[in-house]
Amino acid sequence: DIVMTQSPDSLAVSLGERATINCKSRPSVLYNSNNKNYLAWYQQKPGQPPKLLIYWASTRESGVPDRFSGSGSGTDFTLTISSLQAEDVAVYYCQQYYSTPYTFGQGTKLEIK
Amino acid sequence: QVQLVESGGGVAQPGGSLRLSCAASGFTLSTFGMHWVRQAPGKGLEWVAVIWYDGTYNYNVDSVKGRFTISRDNSKNTLFLQMNSLRVEDTAMYYCARDGLAPRAGCDKWGQGTLVSVSS
Repeated sequence: DIVMTQSPDSLAVSLGERATINCKSRPSVLYNSNNKNYLAWYQQKPGQPPKLLIYWASTRESGVPDRFSGSGSGTDFTLTISSLQAEDVAVYYCQQYYSTPYTFGQGTKLEIK
Repeated sequence: QVQLVESGGGVAQPGGSLRLSCAASGFTLSTFGMHWVRQAPGKGLEWVAVIWYDGTYNYNVDSVKGRFTISRDNSKNTLFLQMNSLRVEDTAMYYCARDGLAPRAGCDKWGQGTLVSVSS
C-alpha cells in the first residue's frame, strides 16, 4: 500500500498570512505515461463531509478560491493557502489515487493564530 | 443538483450486519465510479472501497476484506455497502462519494454520511 504522511499535524497561522501543508507519498504517485500525479487535497470542516480542493496535485476544483494552490511531483507535495481567511479553519487531507487502496494522509488541523 | 444521501446506519452488535445505501440524484450514476470512505469518531479519513461505473470491478481495503461488499444498482441510482461480521473498530461515519469528472481526479461529490456504531 502507498503510505501518505502529512506535516505538520497541526498549524496555527495569522489571518492574511500564508499557510503551507506538506504531504509525502511512499512510493511515488506520478504516472509516467501521462506525467500526472494522482494526488488530491480535501478540506473538512467540523460536522461536514470532505470537500475536494485540488486534484492531479495542482488542478483546482471548480469553485475553489484561487488562494488555494497545490504543487509538487513524485513523492513530495504541498498545499498552500496564500492569504488565510477565517473560513479556512479546517482539517486538510491529502489522498493518493495512484493505486488501490486509495490511502489518505493523517490530516493537518489548521487554526487561526 | 447533484445529491448523495446515505442511509442504513445504526447500532449493531459485534458479529452483526448492516446494509448501507447511498441514493444518488441529479446525475447519471451509471457513468461514475463510486467510493465508500469512513471516519471513526475524532479520527481521520479511511478509504474503504471503490466500484467501477458498471460494477465490473471493485476493491476493498484489507481491514474489511471478506466482511464488506460494495455493490450498485444503476437502474435504481443506488450504491450499497453490505457490512457483515461487524467489529467494534468499524464504528464510524460512513460517507459515499462520487469519482470526479476526470480519471483519478479525486471525489468531487460527497454525502453527509451515515453513522454506524458497533457495540455490545
